[in-house]
Amino acid sequence: DIVMTQSPDSLAVSLGERATINCKSSQSLLHSSNNKNYLGWYQQKPGQPPKVLISWASTRESGVPDRFSGNGSGTDFTLTINGLQADDVAVYYCQQYFSTLPFTFGPGTKVDIK
Amino acid sequence: QVQLQESGPRLLKPSETLSLTCTVSGDSISSHFWSWIRQPPGKGLEWIANIYTTGNTNYNPSLTSRVTISADTSKNQFSLKLNSVTAADTAVYYCARLGGNGDTAYYPMDVWGKGTTVTVSS
Repeated sequence: DIVMTQSPDSLAVSLGERATINCKSSQSLLHSSNNKNYLGWYQQKPGQPPKVLISWASTRESGVPDRFSGNGSGTDFTLTINGLQADDVAVYYCQQYFSTLPFTFGPGTKVDIK
Repeated sequence: QVQLQESGPRLLKPSETLSLTCTVSGDSISSHFWSWIRQPPGKGLEWIANIYTTGNTNYNPSLTSRVTISADTSKNQFSLKLNSVTAADTAVYYCARLGGNGDTAYYPMDVWGKGTTVTVSS
């Protein structure tokens, strides 16, 4: 299995400030055939299903505010929320889709307002 | 607008079989791969299985001995069966669409159902 880890487990950020979440995979998610990283970021608010924010490590999904950005390659990735808003309070998960044996998610990072 | 709706019994006894169906509207299940994912109370996400209507399936090795995923193109539905359930199978079960055009399963999950809570208790 590709093991996904995230840090921190939780963080509290003041409104308008930056939140940074790290995700590490136990093996590279960079596919040599197309130079794409098979890594997604999801946001899950209480009582709701996850929502994909970022695919291919850095591509924002349609309708996702541009304060959300993804970076990284290989085994180390980052989700940044620039200018945290109250609506961003949620748990954020990274997920690898490089291998279906099995698809795996990180344990999640809870983001709150300080 | 693509919508997914999970349905099925919500309370099971240990050793019974969990059977869930995901009804897809606004899209054809023949156009994408589809997934089941679960989330135990207060915990993270666990991918269970994928299916494409050609019969191409992938299973989580930790569950493969107990899980079957299937699709019914005539009803635009896909289903999950999990045998011999225990309390550890108590979770919210989500169905989801994988992105892309059905060429491969290697895409993020871009549309999710609202989820259905399944409880296993004697």
